Amino acid sequence: SQQGEEDPQALSIQEGENATMNCSYKTSINNLQWYRQNSGRGLVHLILIRSNEREKHSGRLRVTLDTSKKSSSLLITASRAADTASYFCATTPTGTASKLTFGTGTRLQVTL
Amino acid sequence: DTAVSQTPKYLVTQMGNDKSIKCEQNLGHDTMYWYKQDSKKFLKIMFSYNNKELIINETVPNRFSPKSPDKAHLNLHINSLELGDSAVYFCASSLGPRDAQYFGPGTRLTVL
Repeated sequence: SQQGEEDPQALSIQEGENATMNCSYKTSINNLQWYRQNSGRGLVHLILIRSNEREKHSGRLRVTLDTSKKSSSLLITASRAADTASYFCATTPTGTASKLTFGTGTRLQVTL
Repeated sequence: DTAVSQTPKYLVTQMGNDKSIKCEQNLGHDTMYWYKQDSKKFLKIMFSYNNKELIINETVPNRFSPKSPDKAHLNLHINSLELGDSAVYFCASSLGPRDAQYFGPGTRLTVL
């Protein structure tokens, strides 16, 4: 069954603006990961945040995790046209070893 | 230099045929996966192997059979193809079962 849901489903911003995407999930997790998928391409891993971590940074990306609310957010600062892609959160539920369960994705469009 | 590669990239075939998709990773990872992405971009895990041993086998018709000849390869064989099998199939690998996953470029399967 689907574990995560991203919000919004689609987001359109101008270059230079920040983009925030949210992810909610249903069960307790070992970790949560964010991936990017460009149209017609495979997924690219962005960030992994463990259940005992609250915030993580990587370049222009900032991920937060609130296990009490079962939610995570991905912030992309100073967005660029090249950031246009679909973004997925994925969780590894506790006790499920390698079973990564993906959300529905947020389609981000960054215009010039 | 491709980390996770899949062949073929596109596969168009008639209903009832048998086909295989091959996947290879040169990252030295122990764990490999097969995912199916449908037309709505929903990504669902099908199988996972760790050190050539099957560890995840989701509710997938037994027409789908994965084979892992060694840790670097995970092939997917599909018998008696049906229209509903049309999708993009992604192979992925990770260092271990709970680590970040690296995806191949995908194989777009179209069943006519």
